[in-house]
Amino acid sequence: QKEVEQDPGPLSVPEGAIVSLNCTYSNSAFQYFMWYRQYSRKGPELLMYTYSSGNKEDGRFTAQVDKSSKYISLFIRDSQPSDSATYLCAMSRGGGADGLTFGKGTHLIIQP
Amino acid sequence: EAQVTQNPRYLITVTGKKLTVTCSQNMNHEYMSWYRQDPGLGLRQIYYSMNVEVTDKGDVPEGYKVSRKEKRNFPLILESPSPNQTSLYFCASSFWASGLIAPSGANVLTFGAGSRLTVL
Repeated sequence: QKEVEQDPGPLSVPEGAIVSLNCTYSNSAFQYFMWYRQYSRKGPELLMYTYSSGNKEDGRFTAQVDKSSKYISLFIRDSQPSDSATYLCAMSRGGGADGLTFGKGTHLIIQP
Repeated sequence: EAQVTQNPRYLITVTGKKLTVTCSQNMNHEYMSWYRQDPGLGLRQIYYSMNVEVTDKGDVPEGYKVSRKEKRNFPLILESPSPNQTSLYFCASSFWASGLIAPSGANVLTFGAGSRLTVL
């Protein structure tokens, strides 16, 4: 079983829809959870991070972590064509000096 | 502008010809790291460095070397490249420092734009 599972998509939705992106993981030691967004031919950029279980909201984006289920989600409200990108979940055990464990990424397409 | 700069952005080389991918950051970050990104495999860490002269292996270090002689630079060296090292490479840095907790509490990485390497 891979440490982090993420559906690669592509996921195609119409503009304005609510998007739900998800990752599951197997390592219960993960404490820090992040979502990165990667546009084509660019490096990943941090979108959101959370510590332990709970919700965090930032504008149109909401990150949820359910440690009991080993499941994390990213919700995008009022999706825009500019949200079209690959979304990578990432996790680490502690401060993360030994690196982040990434999901493979979900390719999201927002249709105008 | 705060950034991580990688060079070259694109490179085609042949098996066995030594090459170096440079990485420089202007954010005074303690921590630097190299990842490779492959279809179906995602991002995997090659090497990381918590400070000058301190480096350690990541998940896929075979065939690579790194050095950290200055805080801002962290070059990735392929002594004898092979076709299985054809990949998209990313350098990343973060504030995280050994023994300290980053302000965010997490090792939040800033990535470079990537270097696409093809080994024939």
